[in-house]
Amino acid sequence: DAMVIQNPRYQVTQFGKPVTLSCSQTLNHNVMYWYQQKSSQAPKLLFHYYDKDFNNEADTPDNFQSRRPNTSFCFLDIRSPGLGDAAMYLCATSGRGNTDTQYFGPGTRLTVL
Amino acid sequence: AQSVAQPEDQVNVAEGNPLTVKCTYSVSGNPYLFWYVQYPNRGLQFLLKYITGDNLVKGSYGFEAEFNKSQTSFHLKKPSALVSDSALYFCAVRDKDSSASKIIFGSGTRLSIRP
Repeated sequence: DAMVIQNPRYQVTQFGKPVTLSCSQTLNHNVMYWYQQKSSQAPKLLFHYYDKDFNNEADTPDNFQSRRPNTSFCFLDIRSPGLGDAAMYLCATSGRGNTDTQYFGPGTRLTVL
Repeated sequence: AQSVAQPEDQVNVAEGNPLTVKCTYSVSGNPYLFWYVQYPNRGLQFLLKYITGDNLVKGSYGFEAEFNKSQTSFHLKKPSALVSDSALYFCAVRDKDSSASKIIFGSGTRLSIRP
């Protein structure tokens, strides 16, 4: 089945220790997104890739970076995690069209000690 | 700017009764509207969307939503609630100022179905 996969599902890191979350998709979608979601709030868009074009949201901290080496994979790098970065991180994909649906992965729950 | 509002933080319904989760929107031009459901410690699952055409949209798990242009609403409905419908529900609208398929989420409504 075509899907969006996130690894790991749960990640524990220490304050200030870099961490990388991964996302892969078998939907062959052009657009990939990373969201941060805290305690049942609405997901907050961090950035998205439109093919290889990287689009950062204006209020995304510099501490968050992303890489998309190919169509299928996208990574979220948190360079120096703080306690406030503990959250669920959601990856999503969609086609290019303005009516296309975004499909989400299961998420990675990040804990910062 | 586009926006979407979910006026109820929580909705409580008895199993077997009809349920409604409310959503209103503000957009320039024609809206593209979505509903997602989120179970604990899971990602968002797509339920249904309205793009054009019939105002009543049918989706997954027996859910449907009615697009009402005059009231700028897109309420989610189900004729008979199940305990397993208990989850967090998000309404969303397409951000037409974006070149990609970005969407703007409402604040979410927690649906609780009691046996």
